[in-house]
Amino acid sequence: AQSVTQLGSHVSVSEGALVLLRCNYSSSVPPYLFWYVQYPNQGLQLLLKYTSAATLVKGINGFEAEFKKSETSFHLTKPSAHMSDAAEYFCAVSRSGSSYKLIFGSGTRLLVRP
Amino acid sequence: NAGVTQTPKFRILKIGQSMTLQCTQDMNHNYMYWYRQDPGMGLKLIYYSVGAGITDKGEVPNGYNVSRSTTEDFPLRLELAAPSQTSVYFCASSQNPGRGTEAFFGQGTRLTVV
Repeated sequence: AQSVTQLGSHVSVSEGALVLLRCNYSSSVPPYLFWYVQYPNQGLQLLLKYTSAATLVKGINGFEAEFKKSETSFHLTKPSAHMSDAAEYFCAVSRSGSSYKLIFGSGTRLLVRP
Repeated sequence: NAGVTQTPKFRILKIGQSMTLQCTQDMNHNYMYWYRQDPGMGLKLIYYSVGAGITDKGEVPNGYNVSRSTTEDFPLRLELAAPSQTSVYFCASSQNPGRGTEAFFGQGTRLTVV
């Protein structure tokens, strides 16, 4: 069965600093991977997704993520944090083929210091 | 463009009461999901459906029931509410996550059982 591990329940960065949110996955077949963002009291919205095309995926708001099969990782990065990036971020995995489940990690709350 | 609509947004139940959380999507998506979100735990899959008339259990199905009589609607039923079911519930839909399509989320229902 597929699963996702997000390292660090809270990450704090200064405005303008690099953002790095970690995600490792487990899947017996090549996965599809997603990053979602949740702002307070809202639902989740898609940041970006990996679906076996380019390993470096660019998303909205300047975020990108790199799929590394050898490390089973899909870490999310942004070169320069903005105050508006403060939110909770979720990594998710769905398996290709006949699986219908979309499984989420436990989330990482990003705090941006002025 | 409504997307995924959940009702109600907030609800307080007494222990032992029952209720139905409503979810409707207007994107003609085949797949629909119910998740619960607890602090620090991410999103846990309760039930999912791959089409009208087809449902299956997720990670935490106990205490819940679902039905899928139409493509648009996927209600979640709580029988005999318990304090452990205090949570935020999210409904989502997707065309086919097993082939890399992303999920679209509703705004959530905040349920408190007292």
